[in-house]
Amino acid sequence: QVQLVESGGGVVQPGRSLRLSCAASGSTLSNHAMHWVRQAAGKGLEWVALMSDDGANNEFYADFAKGRFTISRDNSMDTVYLQMNSLRAEDTAVYYCARDRGRGYSEIDYWGQGTLVTVSS
Amino acid sequence: DIVMTQSPDSLAVSLGERATINCKSSQSVLNYLAWYQQKPGQPPKLLIYWASFRESGVPARFSGSGSGTDFTLTISSLQAEDVAVYYCQQYYITPITFGPGTKLHIK
Repeated sequence: QVQLVESGGGVVQPGRSLRLSCAASGSTLSNHAMHWVRQAAGKGLEWVALMSDDGANNEFYADFAKGRFTISRDNSMDTVYLQMNSLRAEDTAVYYCARDRGRGYSEIDYWGQGTLVTVSS
Repeated sequence: DIVMTQSPDSLAVSLGERATINCKSSQSVLNYLAWYQQKPGQPPKLLIYWASFRESGVPARFSGSGSGTDFTLTISSLQAEDVAVYYCQQYYITPITFGPGTKLHIK
């Protein structure tokens, strides 16, 4: 059974940075694209970023994340990261790490439990 | 960006009755459409992928249909444990986008 465990969330001041991690167990992340999806309290799901695993490790971002957030992965550690810079109050949300069933452009078949990021002064 | 809309926003159905949730995309996503169920305090769970393929372990009362721009999630006989918010998602092109969700209640 695949388990994804996020860490690194917390309270951060506006303009500061935070790095989220997502560690997988029960299965390797190789051959799977990985996503970050966020959800503000009481709101819907909002896709953040995707990194493929097609050899090119292509990165894709939501408009709000471009230039501020960076997704990366270390397949040897079965870990995915989300570096978030210049954080804003509107970035406050639960951030989910999620596994794509394929190497990219597939459905998400596993989700972590999420880590809460609160941006507040 | 592809905009996903869902209808209704909220739905109340009696136990044992059929529940139908609609999802529409602003342009064709072919069959690159998934449905997720999210219960309070939990991450989403994949129900349907490729518009109509049921994920392993998902009860047969859940079914998906549609292609192009119009999709439907049907729960044939509502059970108490189906109370949740349901989201559609297109993964045809980035940015990947979700519908706003449909909250399903028991009548």
